[in-house]
Amino acid sequence: SQQGEEDPQALSIQEGENATMNCSYKTSINNLQWYRQNSGRGLVHLILIRSNEREKHSGRLRVTLDTSKKSSSLLITASRAADTASYFCATDITGNQFYFGTGTSLTVIP
Amino acid sequence: NAGVMQNPRHLVRRRGQEARLRCSPMKGHSHVYWYRQLPEEGLKFMVYLQKENIIDESGMPKERFSAEFPKEGPSILRIQQVVRGDSAAYFCASSFGTGAETEAFFGQGTRLTVV
Repeated sequence: SQQGEEDPQALSIQEGENATMNCSYKTSINNLQWYRQNSGRGLVHLILIRSNEREKHSGRLRVTLDTSKKSSSLLITASRAADTASYFCATDITGNQFYFGTGTSLTVIP
Repeated sequence: NAGVMQNPRHLVRRRGQEARLRCSPMKGHSHVYWYRQLPEEGLKFMVYLQKENIIDESGMPKERFSAEFPKEGPSILRIQQVVRGDSAAYFCASSFGTGAETEAFFGQGTRLTVV
């Protein structure tokens, strides 16, 4: 399978703590994107990192990409209850489609 | 600029009926992707279309499923003779192009329930 694999599957933290999620993939990519999905809702695009980038920031989000290890991490700093959601990584390999992992379910406890 | 619009949001069909799911991409986007999400799972790619062309349908079941993206109007995902196993959330995404700079934006999804 060429899908990304997120790790851990589920994560539960206290409000204010940092949350780190990882994504591994199998083949060379054009880019990698992170999405958030609230329960029963659509996907919200969070951040795109290109294959020639190593780190990217957006607000409280920090994404890193290590193409040698074929892995990416999403760090959410100073988490809030509203960050509770599932987080998916999606890899663009062929330009034709985005491969999604099974997601990390994050619960932030107030 | 409205986002990706999908309708209906919820669709209930009896076994054997047809389901038609619509997706209007973001303004200026000519690339559309359909994904299916089963409960508690990630998204599975179904089909990628550009205007009037199917580019990649490797994720779409060979029977009962079809997709189109006409020159005018929304993209349609059509499921004929639905079965219980078709119950899922179907998401549409659109992008301006493809490649390293491409961001795909998703609609809210259509939740299909087959009874």
